Amino acid sequence: EVQLVQSGGGLVRPGGSLRLSCAASGFTISDKYMSWVRQAPGKGLEWVSVVYSGGNTFYADSVRGRFTVSRDNSKNMLFLQINNLRAEDTAVYYCAREPMMDVWGKGTTVTVSS
Amino acid sequence: DIQMTQSPSSVSASVGDRVTITCRASQNMNSWLDWFQQKPGKAPKLLIYAASTLQSGVPSRFSGSRSGTDFTLTINSLQPEDFATYYCLQVDTFPWTFGQGTKVEIK
Repeated sequence: EVQLVQSGGGLVRPGGSLRLSCAASGFTISDKYMSWVRQAPGKGLEWVSVVYSGGNTFYADSVRGRFTVSRDNSKNMLFLQINNLRAEDTAVYYCAREPMMDVWGKGTTVTVSS
Repeated sequence: DIQMTQSPSSVSASVGDRVTITCRASQNMNSWLDWFQQKPGKAPKLLIYAASTLQSGVPSRFSGSRSGTDFTLTINSLQPEDFATYYCLQVDTFPWTFGQGTKVEIK
């Protein structure tokens, strides 16, 4: 079965860091590009980042310089390193398979609060 | 950046109605636009990609079209399971951008 299993969310103080994980099964992530999307409480969807199979990465302006997306092809996993967290980063974070974001993880919640 | 202005923000409709949702791009773009459905507490689900191609397994009452910078999602004969929030996403130019969402509610 094709699926994405997410982990790594939690409660973090402003300025803190987290690493979100997204484990793929049923397909090989090295063959695909992968995205991260987030959704603040009660708000709409916001695209965060994409990593291409060749390694190129792109980010939303709101996270560039603080967020880093990476892959471990040997473990078939995707990661999002989030640094210098702000209150406005509080959201459910989803990983999704490209192209077309046809497969999504269930999401992991990041709460930034003192 | 390409801004996607989605309208309406909400619509009340009855089972069997036709519902039309529009996303207007702030500048010319190719047809790299996708539509998603999201239900409360769930991840989004892909409905339409490349403006008009129906994703495998999605009912044919969903359709997408384009006219210039306007992209439209149409739901024909609304079903009870279609009450949800719908989003467009442009993947033509970085940064990719979502519309603000349209909540389809039961009248």
